[in-house]
Amino acid sequence: GDSVTQMEGPVTLSEEAFLTINCTYTATGYPSLFWYVQYPGEGLQLLLKATKADDKGSNKGFEATYRKETTSFHLEKGSVQVSDSAVYFCALSEVGSGGGADGLTFGKGTHLIIQP
Amino acid sequence: DTEVTQTPKHLVMGMTNKKSLKCEQHMGHRAMYWYKQKAKKPPELMFVYSYEKLSINESVPSRFSPECPNSSLLNLHLHALQPEDSALYLCASSRPGGETQYFGPGTRLLVL
Repeated sequence: GDSVTQMEGPVTLSEEAFLTINCTYTATGYPSLFWYVQYPGEGLQLLLKATKADDKGSNKGFEATYRKETTSFHLEKGSVQVSDSAVYFCALSEVGSGGGADGLTFGKGTHLIIQP
Repeated sequence: DTEVTQTPKHLVMGMTNKKSLKCEQHMGHRAMYWYKQKAKKPPELMFVYSYEKLSINESVPSRFSPECPNSSLLNLHLHALQPEDSALYLCASSRPGGETQYFGPGTRLLVL
């Protein structure tokens, strides 16, 4: 079955540091890849996505590139802020059997803490 | 607009109560989902509705009963829950076929 592996953390960085959160996946077909962010006490917000190999998703200074050859989708940001403190989930989706909708497969989540 | 709304935000119920969670979206999405999330864990899929029909049930106990009355609404009926069912319940919607899922803010449920 499909699976997603990501570093769990917590990851603690100082403000303005460079961020990388690693994510690798296994899938039977050609999945779409996502990063979701969850702030304390809230639901999941879509941060960025990529639907095919070599696509780069970007949003709010975050970037991730769909690398089929290494089955990876690492999240990066050049200069983090205290407001980026949250839990980040890497996820994939594939078309379900019969062509219908299917649930997301999530990594375990990475708790990011940014200190001033 | 990519908004999914959920009510109530918080719910406390006893083990003999019956309650319902509600989810609504107006993005024209024809796939809707219920997930359960325990603290410090990723969401776990419970149910998928596609074109208002239940297409996936991840072996969820019968004390959870989903309902999709129309293409915009999704309910989760709760009855005789256990304390271990306390969690954040998240609703999501998407176009069918592996498309991006948009999540609501969740209902935080406490079962006493």
